[in-house]
Amino acid sequence: GENVEQHPSTLSVQEGDSAVIKCTYSDSASNYFPWYKQELGKGPQLIIDIRSNVGEKKDQRIAVTLNKTAKHFSLHITETQPEDSAVYFCAARAHSNSGYALNFGKGTSLLVTP
Amino acid sequence: EAGVTQFPSHSVIEKGQTVTLRCDPISGHDNLYWYRRVMGKEIKFLLHFVKESKQDESGMPNNRFLAERTGGTYSTLKVQPAELEDSGVYFCASSQRLEGTQYFGPGTRLLVL
Repeated sequence: GENVEQHPSTLSVQEGDSAVIKCTYSDSASNYFPWYKQELGKGPQLIIDIRSNVGEKKDQRIAVTLNKTAKHFSLHITETQPEDSAVYFCAARAHSNSGYALNFGKGTSLLVTP
Repeated sequence: EAGVTQFPSHSVIEKGQTVTLRCDPISGHDNLYWYRRVMGKEIKFLLHFVKESKQDESGMPNNRFLAERTGGTYSTLKVQPAELEDSGVYFCASSQRLEGTQYFGPGTRLLVL
């Protein structure tokens, strides 16, 4: 089955700096890669996603890059703010024949200090 | 539009007892998923309903777990009898289309003592 590795497990940055979280996946059939943000006491919320026919996607301060050859994808947050502090999860989903379950990484706890 | 809701938010039970978790998906979403996160580990898939049918239950850990979605609306996940290793956060998610975005509920935090 799919195996998603996520690094780092914790990340602390100063407000205004950039944060980068990296994930690798094992199943070359994976074609959908969402990123979720989980704030304390809440469920994971989708913040951005990318499909395998695209190499990069950007939404304001958040961007995701995908390298299908190397089987890794990354989340980039620029100009970080204290409200970006949360746990971030990457996920991968394989071709529909394998089902529609998301396979998650273990999460990255991001702390943005003022 | 209301999001995915889950009940209860927290549950503390003793080993051997039974617990039933409930999930109400976003209205009109035929696809409903159950996931679980054990402390410090990744969020893991349990099963997927399409309407009232189980599309994929490959993630269900054992026969102590029973999921139902009668009528294709809300779903329940029953754990009977609960074991210590069942402790964790149980998330429900729903999507409109099979390959659509999965929207997560706030989760039920289960502690088995």
